[in-house]
Amino acid sequence: DGGITQSPKYLFRKEGQNVTLSCEQNLNHDAMYWYRQDPGQGLRLIYYSQIVNDFQKGDIAEGYSVSREKKESFPLTVTSAQKNPTAFYLCASTPGYRVSFQPQHFGDGTRLSIL
Amino acid sequence: QKEVEQDPGPLSVPEGAIVSLNCTYSNSAFQYFMWYRQYSRKGPELLMYTYSSGNKEDGRFTAQVDKSSKYISLFIRDSQPSDSATYLCAMRMEYGNKLVFGAGTILRVKS
Repeated sequence: DGGITQSPKYLFRKEGQNVTLSCEQNLNHDAMYWYRQDPGQGLRLIYYSQIVNDFQKGDIAEGYSVSREKKESFPLTVTSAQKNPTAFYLCASTPGYRVSFQPQHFGDGTRLSIL
Repeated sequence: QKEVEQDPGPLSVPEGAIVSLNCTYSNSAFQYFMWYRQYSRKGPELLMYTYSSGNKEDGRFTAQVDKSSKYISLFIRDSQPSDSATYLCAMRMEYGNKLVFGAGTILRVKS
């Protein structure tokens, strides 16, 4: 079955620690996205990538970093500079970043908490 | 003021009821309007989308867009306990793939 796999489902971070969330897709999609979801707030865009070796900041990129070395993988690192990292993180993808409508497919998320 | 406003609920209804979920928005440039359903501890899944104004029906679900009022709705007929979830509205402009989401409405359908 094609889809997006996020791992781990639950992750705990200690103070001053960087943690990396994994996102892998086998949909052959070019574009990938990272969102953060907090209770009572909509999804907010952290970073997105339209193509391998290229990515752009979203609305709340501070304290996060990404890489896109392979088409199928878009890992997100939550750095120690992110002072409020507790949230539900969602990865999504679309076939491309073009004009016509392309629905975003989501993974099942990683819940990150502070120890 | 947020670009997209959505009442977080929770909205509790009996099985078989008609449910109305709504969002308002401020950016008149939005052209695509989506409804996502999200079960607990899962990612959102796209239910329906509409382009510009008008209605769209898919089984028990109907989406409406009123661009003059900047108001969108999702109606669920004959609601079932399995419809219990968070419903997120999302919007985007004509070009690009950046979505703006509402906060989500929690729906509980009681059997």
